Amino acid sequence: AQSVAQPEDQVNVAEGNPLTVKCTYSVSGNPYLFWYVQYPNRGLQFLLKYITGDNLVKGSYGFEAEFNKSQTSFHLKKPSALVSDSALYFCAVRLLTSGTYKYIFGTGTRLKVLA
Amino acid sequence: DTEVTQTPKHLVMGMTNKKSLKCEQHMGHRAMYWYKQKAKKPPELMFVYSYEKLSINESVPSRFSPECPNSSLLNLHLHALQPEDSALYLCASSQDRGGDRASTGNTIYFGEGSWLTVV
Repeated sequence: AQSVAQPEDQVNVAEGNPLTVKCTYSVSGNPYLFWYVQYPNRGLQFLLKYITGDNLVKGSYGFEAEFNKSQTSFHLKKPSALVSDSALYFCAVRLLTSGTYKYIFGTGTRLKVLA
Repeated sequence: DTEVTQTPKHLVMGMTNKKSLKCEQHMGHRAMYWYKQKAKKPPELMFVYSYEKLSINESVPSRFSPECPNSSLLNLHLHALQPEDSALYLCASSQDRGGDRASTGNTIYFGEGSWLTVV
């Protein structure tokens, strides 16, 4: 089955340190990959996406993600973490099913940035 | 403007009630979605509408009934729900068009959600 996986339930990082949130995918063909962030009691906010082109994608709030086809990964990164980055992060993939696109999400990774 | 508006923000309903969740977008998007999210879990797709027609129903129980009155509005009608249906219901939209294989990976945008409690 086509899917995305987030192997870490939680990531802890000290403020000011670089952070990485991992995502791997299992998709046939060229994947369309996304990262979203969810703050408590809120909807999902779009951070960035990979469609084609440069493997390093830059997004909102200083986040970036690196697409690696050989490792089937799309890890989210930020050079210097902020306490305000603490939230739930979801990786997602767009799939085509019966002529309709749908978006499937990974299990989520809770990021805690410690002051 | 990437706004998807959902009402109400909170809804408490009894198991015999009939209620509706509403969603509106004015981005000209032709695909609209309903997702269900339990606490600390990923959103789970329920329905997809493309060009105001139901394209995907992820085997959702019939006590949930979606409706797309026009290209900007999406409703979710609720009837005879169970306590386990309590969750955050998220509406979303995207530019994706059903069957358009040239579509270039458009972004899906979410509303803030409607918190549903079934008592």
